[in-house]
Amino acid sequence: GAGVSQSPRYKVAKRGQDVALRCDPISGHVSLFWYQQALGQGPEFLTYFQNEAQLDKSGLPSDRFFAERPEGSVSTLKIQRTQQEDSAVYLCASRLDRGIINEQFFGPGTRLTVL
Amino acid sequence: KQEVTQIPAALSVPEGENLVLNCSFTDSAIYNLQWFRQDPGKGLTSLLLIQSSQREQTSGRLNASLDKSSGRSTLYIAASQPGDSATYLCAVNRDDKIIFGKGTRLHILP
Repeated sequence: GAGVSQSPRYKVAKRGQDVALRCDPISGHVSLFWYQQALGQGPEFLTYFQNEAQLDKSGLPSDRFFAERPEGSVSTLKIQRTQQEDSAVYLCASRLDRGIINEQFFGPGTRLTVL
Repeated sequence: KQEVTQIPAALSVPEGENLVLNCSFTDSAIYNLQWFRQDPGKGLTSLLLIQSSQREQTSGRLNASLDKSSGRSTLYIAASQPGDSATYLCAVNRDDKIIFGKGTRLHILP
């Protein structure tokens, strides 16, 4: 079956541009997570949805970052007025939320480069 | 605040050797601990997940242990191969967030 998919895989933006990153979770997965991975670092939590509800956005670094999941499936992470420090790999993960083992399954990520 | 530390940051060993990667975490109240593999420019591949009630998990040449009370985990790789070269990330799961270490960059010398 299909895993988590993300698009685009690579994005180059000029400083000040807005970008939108898409995540398609595994079908039927209830929860969806976004992480940011800077070069040479481990991924860091950004935000978390359960169905369409955004339950935790404590990791979003500034109000330029906005995430949505309006129908409880596909999610979009939007970054407004991009800055060079936003350059990173953005990882999406989804979780079934049934059963004993609550494992998050990760997509391949979107590598964002801000010039 | 949960912090995850991985030692060493980088490791090079000759092919065929057994090796151990270390992970420590500051808050023992976790749901589970997970080891991931990440190849350059790629996403995360889950290797092993240990529930908080478990002590270890094995998959092929990989064995991961968990000592929750001391806040430590190890990933043991037996008979290393050049294809094992990658970054290995340790991560703990609590409160619906996964907290990652910075990883160990492993290079297996042919």
